[in-house]
Amino acid sequence: GQNIDQPTEMTATEGAIVQINCTYQTSGFNGLFWYQQHAGEAPTFLSYNVLDGLEEKGRFSSFLSRSKGYSYLLLKELQMKDSASYLCAVRDSNYQLIWGAGTKLIIKP
Amino acid sequence: DAMVIQNPRYQVTQFGKPVTLSCSQTLNHNVMYWYQQKSSQAPKLLFHYYDKDFNNEADTPDNFQSRRPNTSFCFLDIRSPGLGDAAMYLCATSKGTGGNEKLFFGSGTQLSVL
Repeated sequence: GQNIDQPTEMTATEGAIVQINCTYQTSGFNGLFWYQQHAGEAPTFLSYNVLDGLEEKGRFSSFLSRSKGYSYLLLKELQMKDSASYLCAVRDSNYQLIWGAGTKLIIKP
Repeated sequence: DAMVIQNPRYQVTQFGKPVTLSCSQTLNHNVMYWYQQKSSQAPKLLFHYYDKDFNNEADTPDNFQSRRPNTSFCFLDIRSPGLGDAAMYLCATSKGTGGNEKLFFGSGTQLSVL
């Protein structure tokens, strides 16, 4: 079966750095997405990786290693508004999106 | 601003009473999706349309139906809601279904079943 694993919950301090990991086992790979979802709201797009390496976008960066079936989302200079769930999703060989259950990030002052 | 709009934001229905959720888009995207998401779980794809082509997920219950009368609108009908159907229902769109096609989501409809 296809599977995406993410930690259920993480806690970090305002101003710090946090890394949210995602590992996947899918039938084929056509890219990996990270979405942010605030409580009770819809997911919003953060990043897309299809090649190995690091993609930096402001305070957020996303890394991919296809050989390891692994990605991480790095959030720097954490702000209280970054408290949200972060969902990892992979497009498989049929271009279906396989979603993880998300990592709830709690930011403390 | 181009966007995906869902109405209503909150919907309360009674056990067994049919309910319809609506979604509209001004992005002129070809693909529209309906997802069900329960608390702390991954979004679960119910169906999607590529233009008028309807694609039903194998494990979507028959209780759930969908209509896409035109490019802009898509509806989710729940014929006889049960307590287990209480969830957030998310509508999303994308230009296509290629690898890098990101999804644009509406604000969701939180459905409660009494």
